[in-house]
Amino acid sequence: NAGVMQNPRHLVRRRGQEARLRCSPMKGHSHVYWYRQLPEEGLKFMVYLQKENIIDESGMPKERFSAEFPKEGPSILRIQQVVRGDSAAYFCASSPGSGRGGLYGYTFGSGTRLTVV
Amino acid sequence: TQLLEQSPQFLSIQEGENLTVYCNSSSVFSSLQWYRQEPGEGPVLLVTVVTGGEVKKLKRLTFQFGDARKDSSLHITAAQPGDTGLYLCAGWETGNQFYFGTGTSLTVIP
Repeated sequence: NAGVMQNPRHLVRRRGQEARLRCSPMKGHSHVYWYRQLPEEGLKFMVYLQKENIIDESGMPKERFSAEFPKEGPSILRIQQVVRGDSAAYFCASSPGSGRGGLYGYTFGSGTRLTVV
Repeated sequence: TQLLEQSPQFLSIQEGENLTVYCNSSSVFSSLQWYRQEPGEGPVLLVTVVTGGEVKKLKRLTFQFGDARKDSSLHITAAQPGDTGLYLCAGWETGNQFYFGTGTSLTVIP
């Protein structure tokens, strides 16, 4: 596993269901970031986590969205009671260093494309 | 409001042409990165610039960081269809915040 692994690649949910998006960071990286992207738009920051800690969740909607990065296992972005407006591509990135981005840059996964029907 | 504005937002050119994409801000950045994102994939880091006035070259791509570290440009020489994608600048602002730009969608027509 040389890169950031996200699954599933595509996820379809009906309105009101829960969506769980998984991200395994690159080996040796302990910092995980979640971003959301709408078609033809840039990336919008959601949350920054280290193992067992949420460092910055300033970009997360206050309701229905939560994220975790447990001691063991992947980081999870959870969206409860999904609505059509949640349809987007969700990207996870990891870095070896602290802070958001900085000199190390990010390694991104291929994303999860969530469609709410 | 976006801290990092990219222009143009969309660009469609013929294979072999040259182009420049701009990333501008009123804030000072301690470092700035460029990413390329292909359809259906995540962004891939191309370069990081950290010194005002710095120029970095990556084959046909030339990246420049402004002297005042408020802006950056990406110049592509003799564009190829494989250059097609969304180009994103991103920067670590000296106020301790990290931002992505608005993006430039480039299409190179064979």
